[in-house]
Amino acid sequence: DTEVTQTPKHLVMGMTNKKSLKCEQHMGHRAMYWYKQKAKKPPELMFVYSYEKLSINESVPSRFSPECPNSSLLNLHLHALQPEDSALYLCASSQGLVVGTDTQYFGPGTRLTVL
Amino acid sequence: GQQLNQSPQSMFIQEGEDVSMNCTSSSIFNTWLWYKQEPGEGPVLLIALYKAGELTSNGRLTAQFGITRKDSFLNISASIPSDVGIYFCAGSRLQGAQKLVFGQGTRLTINP
Repeated sequence: DTEVTQTPKHLVMGMTNKKSLKCEQHMGHRAMYWYKQKAKKPPELMFVYSYEKLSINESVPSRFSPECPNSSLLNLHLHALQPEDSALYLCASSQGLVVGTDTQYFGPGTRLTVL
Repeated sequence: GQQLNQSPQSMFIQEGEDVSMNCTSSSIFNTWLWYKQEPGEGPVLLIALYKAGELTSNGRLTAQFGITRKDSFLNISASIPSDVGIYFCAGSRLQGAQKLVFGQGTRLTINP
């Protein structure tokens, strides 16, 4: 089983709203990722959690706040977003190897629209 | 950030034709991955390559990890309508294996 699940599938929010995106995997993976993807572009890395600790933050604005409650769950809290933050947000997971081979499996994504 | 050079950017082919796409880099990669993405969905892993020179098949798909470790190709034989989508290559290095570098994608369109 190589399934990563994400909820919700679609989200529309205003610039003053607070919302959260959720991601879950049960593959025993110890690394989880958030990516942002704009139309016709490859995914852009936002955050990496390794063994439930934030290991990489790609200079993401503070209006995006990640959280890893346990090794299976990853959240992305959203607050005071801008219309340009509208995108497909992808979660991924991998075994968690920092050195060597590590294969990432993606979830189906959350389509976010900020009005 | 760095990106892989993926070509072609788009392909328009007839059903039944074979497809070939590739990715190149000026840097060495330790792992090459090929993903397919359909509209509104996340990328789905097609083939993972871990050793230079490795040739791996997955049904009608075949991918190779270049000997120089700076390139990879993906071939699709006898294309069918459900092959439509965007194909991304991605590479990771020995150090910092958690950071993938992506190609710009190849958009495949098939005329029935």
